[in-house]
Amino acid sequence: GAGVSQSPSNKVTEKGKDVELRCDPISGHTALYWYRQSLGQGLEFLIYFQGNSAPDKSGLPSDRFSAERTGGSVSTLTIQRTQQEDSAVYLCASSLGREGEQYFGPGTRLTVT
Amino acid sequence: AQSVTQPDIHITVSEGASLELRCNYSYGATPYLFWYVQSPGQGLQLLLKYFSGDTLVQGIKGFEAEFKRSQSSFNLRKPSVHWSDAAEYFCAVGTLIQGAQKLVFGQGTRLTINP
Repeated sequence: GAGVSQSPSNKVTEKGKDVELRCDPISGHTALYWYRQSLGQGLEFLIYFQGNSAPDKSGLPSDRFSAERTGGSVSTLTIQRTQQEDSAVYLCASSLGREGEQYFGPGTRLTVT
Repeated sequence: AQSVTQPDIHITVSEGASLELRCNYSYGATPYLFWYVQSPGQGLQLLLKYFSGDTLVQGIKGFEAEFKRSQSSFNLRKPSVHWSDAAEYFCAVGTLIQGAQKLVFGQGTRLTINP
């Protein structure tokens, strides 16, 4: 079946612009996660959703980052007023509940110029 | 706080040779442990996981890992590597948070295979 998909695959934006990154999880997966992969910080947990709610937002790097999930499915990660340090690969994963394997998407490579 | 250390940033082995990638974790309770592989330009793929029970776990692609509580280690092994195993390998510890599992990753080990 279809895996986790993310769009766009690549995004180049100018410093100060807002960007939206999209994640389509595997159908029926209740848990959805966002991670960030950068050269300096490695793989970092950002936020997770259980259904449509995000109980723990403490992993978001700053208040310029926000995320939502609608209908228990698609999620959008929004970065406002992008900075160069936001350049990274943003990975999304989904799982069938908390002990299920996390299946990762291919990621969105964000470059802020 | 949970943490994972992968001491080797880069390892080179010859095709057909055995492989061991090291992973040490810090976690207060019984950990959920994982190894993921990432090929260039690809997402992460789960190789194997340890939740409980038998401390030697088998995974895909001929990999295995052994959980050693006394050493806080979860090293990944393969008896004979293939050129297609060249990739980056990440060890992770999972912590349960409400209805989900947060993964904390090590810095990764890049594996190069010599022909």
